[in-house]
Amino acid sequence: GAVVSQHPSRVICKSGTSVKIECRSLDFQATTMFWYRQFPKKSLMLMATSNEGSKATYEQGVEKDKFLINHASLTLSTLTVTSAHPEDSSFYICSARLDRGETQYFGPGTRLLVL
Amino acid sequence: GQQLNQSPQSMFIQEGEDVSMNCTSSSIFNTWLWYKQEPGEGPVLLIALYKAGELTSNGRLTAQFGITRKDSFLNISASIPSDVGIYFCAGLRGSQGNLIFGKGTKLSVKP
Repeated sequence: GAVVSQHPSRVICKSGTSVKIECRSLDFQATTMFWYRQFPKKSLMLMATSNEGSKATYEQGVEKDKFLINHASLTLSTLTVTSAHPEDSSFYICSARLDRGETQYFGPGTRLLVL
Repeated sequence: GQQLNQSPQSMFIQEGEDVSMNCTSSSIFNTWLWYKQEPGEGPVLLIALYKAGELTSNGRLTAQFGITRKDSFLNISASIPSDVGIYFCAGLRGSQGNLIFGKGTKLSVKP
């Protein structure tokens, strides 16, 4: 149980285009999902907390208009990187928390490369 | 943002050796989690600790939640090559708060 999937696993796009990443909890409902960014050889950096049916809560320094988050259902959250630039290239990882639980389960990550 | 102090930063050990790593904080946590991350993958939960003093095992892995609630350690016994990866500790203050991550311990195991 507690499986989280992400799609796509890898994406290459041109500068200026937008990219959507999906995060799904496969066998449980997640009222809350989280989006992280990880740079090479670094720890995970929380970008935003995604709550089903309401607006996401962004961490300080994360542009909400650039990283659009939609949590439309209890099993799906999406992160859209708008007008992507090479500096947005990174490893993006989502996690989902079981309802009434504390433990976060992570997806396999999405490698984004912006050319 | 705030991070946990995780040590050591990296370890190079021989297959069969035992491994110990720990995380400390100046603040109290209610939950400690240990994750393992392999290259190009997301972190995988290894052990979750919910009570001060709790000692929990998962196969060759053993983790403890410090009595002061400000620290936790993870031990791996009889290491094998597939133990290679980066181990992260993560702390949680409230039941609905965000995880605070350590910087990770990179483990290399020589066959």
